[in-house]
Amino acid sequence: QVQLVESGGGVVQPGRSLRLSCAASGFTFRSYTMHWVRQAPGKGLEWLALIYYDGSSQFYADSVKGRFTISRDNSKNTLYLQMTSLRAEDTATYYCMRDSTYWGQGTLVTVSS
Amino acid sequence: SYELTQPPSVSVSPGQTARITCSGDALPRKFAYWYQQKSGQAPVLVIYEDNKRPSGIPDRFSGSNSGTMVTLTISGAQVEDEADYYCYSTDSSGNHWVFGGGTKLTVL
Repeated sequence: QVQLVESGGGVVQPGRSLRLSCAASGFTFRSYTMHWVRQAPGKGLEWLALIYYDGSSQFYADSVKGRFTISRDNSKNTLYLQMTSLRAEDTATYYCMRDSTYWGQGTLVTVSS
Repeated sequence: SYELTQPPSVSVSPGQTARITCSGDALPRKFAYWYQQKSGQAPVLVIYEDNKRPSGIPDRFSGSNSGTMVTLTISGAQVEDEADYYCYSTDSSGNHWVFGGGTKLTVL
């Protein structure tokens, strides 16, 4: 069965960087577009970025463009989100998503001094 | 930037039909997806490509598209359907996705 497991969340100071990972299993990872989505505490869902199945193209929400980078390693069945210049408003649960169907359980990122 | 608009809340009694709308300019050309999110849980897909239901989703959930508006219908809503519901779609480019603001469904 499709499984997506995020990791790498935690508490980080403002201005610092963090890299999230999403380990995929149960499907042919290299065949699917992947997304990152986040949800701030008590708020709605926010799409952040997508990457094509082969990594050839990436697209970002305006809110994170230039600070976040989505990437993938198809040999490791893993999706990444490199986050830089983190701000308090980046505090959220971060989810990876396969196309528009399957979701992971999320990893919590807290940006605080 | 592209936006999808949902009502903040919908309330029905058990057994009634709940309808949650989502409007956006690109919806005549782009599929919509609907997610259910219960408190403290990850979202779950309940409708994809406007009106298709994933396996395991009760048939009381249905979706429809009428141009710039899509609708999630829950026929005979049950107490366990209380949740936040989000529509999801893309702009005309197909590469910038957006969620609606979410609708809190109350069944009581």
